[in-house]
Amino acid sequence: EVQLVESGGGLVKPGGSLRLSCAASGFTFSNYSMNWVRQAPGKGLEWVSSISSRSNYIYYADSVEGRFTISRDNAKNSMYLQMNSLRAEDTGIYYCARLHRGTYWSAYWGQGTLVTISS
Amino acid sequence: DIQMTQSPSSVSASVGDRVTITCRASQDINRWIAWYQQKPGKAPNLLVYATSTLESGVPSRFSGSGSGTAFTLTIGSLQPEDSATYYCQQANSFPLTFGGGTKVEIK
Repeated sequence: EVQLVESGGGLVKPGGSLRLSCAASGFTFSNYSMNWVRQAPGKGLEWVSSISSRSNYIYYADSVEGRFTISRDNAKNSMYLQMNSLRAEDTGIYYCARLHRGTYWSAYWGQGTLVTISS
Repeated sequence: DIQMTQSPSSVSASVGDRVTITCRASQDINRWIAWYQQKPGKAPNLLVYATSTLESGVPSRFSGSGSGTAFTLTIGSLQPEDSATYYCQQANSFPLTFGGGTKVEIK
């Protein structure tokens, strides 16, 4: 069974940093590209970043480019999102998702981790 | 960036009704669209991808169609468990973009 478990969320002041983790199990992690998708309270879904299976292709939303860094460790079956220079508008639930192989559909999702940026 | 405009933003229908949700892309996305269902407090769930391919385990009352810039998700016979918010997403090019969502309520 595919399982994705996010962690690392919390309350941080504007300008601060957080590192989110996504622990994967139930599939061969190194074979799949992954996404981070977020959702502000009461709002819709927003794609944040994608990373290919071998980390050779990485993409970011304009809203996080230069502040967030996606990475993965295939030996540890884990993906990460380093978030710096955090802003109030970064508040929301952050989901990691496994993509369908060769596509950018988010086929499996974690339960999400809440990030709150507030002074 | 490709904008995805979803309509309606909400719909209220009775059990057994046919419900259609539309998503329009700001440019041709070559059938690279997916639909997700999200229930309150839960992560989204992939329903349909590549316009019309049903994800494994998704009931056959869900179907997708369209081409170019206009796409639809249809619930053939609405069930109580279909009460949720539905989102479209294009995967034709980066940045990946979602529609604003359609909330489906049961009368």
